[in-house]
Amino acid sequence: DTAVSQTPKYLVTQMGNDKSIKCEQNLGHDTMYWYKQDSKKFLKIMFSYNNKELIINETVPNRFSPKSPDKAHLNLHINSLELGDSAVYFCASSQAAQGWNEQFFGPGTRLTVL
Amino acid sequence: QKEVEQNSGPLSVPEGAIASLNCTYSDRGSQSFFWYRQYSGKSPELIMFIYSNGDKEDGRFTAQLNKASQYVSLLIRDSQPSDSATYLCAGDYNYGQNFVFGPGTRLSVLP
Repeated sequence: DTAVSQTPKYLVTQMGNDKSIKCEQNLGHDTMYWYKQDSKKFLKIMFSYNNKELIINETVPNRFSPKSPDKAHLNLHINSLELGDSAVYFCASSQAAQGWNEQFFGPGTRLTVL
Repeated sequence: QKEVEQNSGPLSVPEGAIASLNCTYSDRGSQSFFWYRQYSGKSPELIMFIYSNGDKEDGRFTAQLNKASQYVSLLIRDSQPSDSATYLCAGDYNYGQNFVFGPGTRLSVLP
């Protein structure tokens, strides 16, 4: 059983388009995350979200918006895509309430903006 | 500004040797630290976490935390070629609401 899944695995699109990446976790975790890993492999948190609170990294442009239809899903919407958005996007989840934050990562979505 | 620093490497060790990976952090506010391994083209996977000063051992891996000096290390004993990967150190600030990764250290274990 896949713990954290993402779709699509690859996404190639033109500048200016709007796209979404979906994430689902079947671990029953209370918190989900989106990370961006750029070409230099630096992994940076974009959002953390549980059913009570959304924490946004202040450096993330407002073209990026997370949407959570329920506790097991956290989708990432990106408007007006730019070349610099090309990266691998990882979804993750954890049971943050347990006190230590072991995160489980999805397989990643490689976004290429042309 | 919360920062986690690592030597980017590559760190090369012969098979069977001990690989030592180091990480320093700038803010004492972190509750816990994590070591993740990431193979090329794959997602990070957790190796160990540590939140108390001292050593924590799990198989061939030992994590060490020194909060006074603000450093975390990971020792890999009897290194194998399959250990060749990028190792990411991460600090958890505010129970997952601010999770900061270091840039990663690329380890190469030579057969």
